[in-house]
Amino acid sequence: KQEVTQIPAALSVPEGENLVLNCSFTDSAIYNLQWFRQDPGKGLTSLLLIQSSQREQTSGRLNASLDKSSGRSTLYIAASQPGDSATYLCAVDNYGQNFVFGPGTRLSVLP
Amino acid sequence: SAVISQKPSRDICQRGTSLTIQCQVDSQVTMMFWYRQQPGQSLTLIATANQGSEATYESGFVIDKFPISRPNLTFSTLTVSNMSPEDSSIYLCSDGGGGNEQFFGPGTRLTVL
Repeated sequence: KQEVTQIPAALSVPEGENLVLNCSFTDSAIYNLQWFRQDPGKGLTSLLLIQSSQREQTSGRLNASLDKSSGRSTLYIAASQPGDSATYLCAVDNYGQNFVFGPGTRLSVLP
Repeated sequence: SAVISQKPSRDICQRGTSLTIQCQVDSQVTMMFWYRQQPGQSLTLIATANQGSEATYESGFVIDKFPISRPNLTFSTLTVSNMSPEDSSIYLCSDGGGGNEQFFGPGTRLTVL
């Protein structure tokens, strides 16, 4: 059974810092991995999708990497801003069977 | 990217009643997914809904409690039946699967008194 964990559970940084969020999964047989952002009480916003054959994806200040063999992904946020404050979730797609979500990292960027 | 809408956005319901949540996608999709997010928790998949067939439920979720309809390729409903306070959650629908990017609706925030 696929299990997804995220470290740290919560993170508070001053504005302008670069930061890394970590996601680990137990079964490397995945279709893809997706990072989401969730603002309090809201739905999920897709940030980046990494296919199983890819090593990384970039969008603006965000860069996500995937090491399928070791069951790890990282989300790198450059030059953090207060507007980046949210919960960040990673989810793995188990070959179209189902999506398994991690518990999330709650990020606070202080002005 | 798909645009997904949900109705209602929130509701407060009495114990023992039922609520039907609607999910509309702006394009045809093969699979739609329903998730529950309990307070302070991450998302848990309830079921996968394919058009023209019975929904597939995850362990711990049953059709009598969460009946799902999928009448066409752009629409699905989830009913939360015989509600109790433990059903208070955000319910989200999404499309995607099979290697495609997932997009989510804005969620339905349900409070059961």
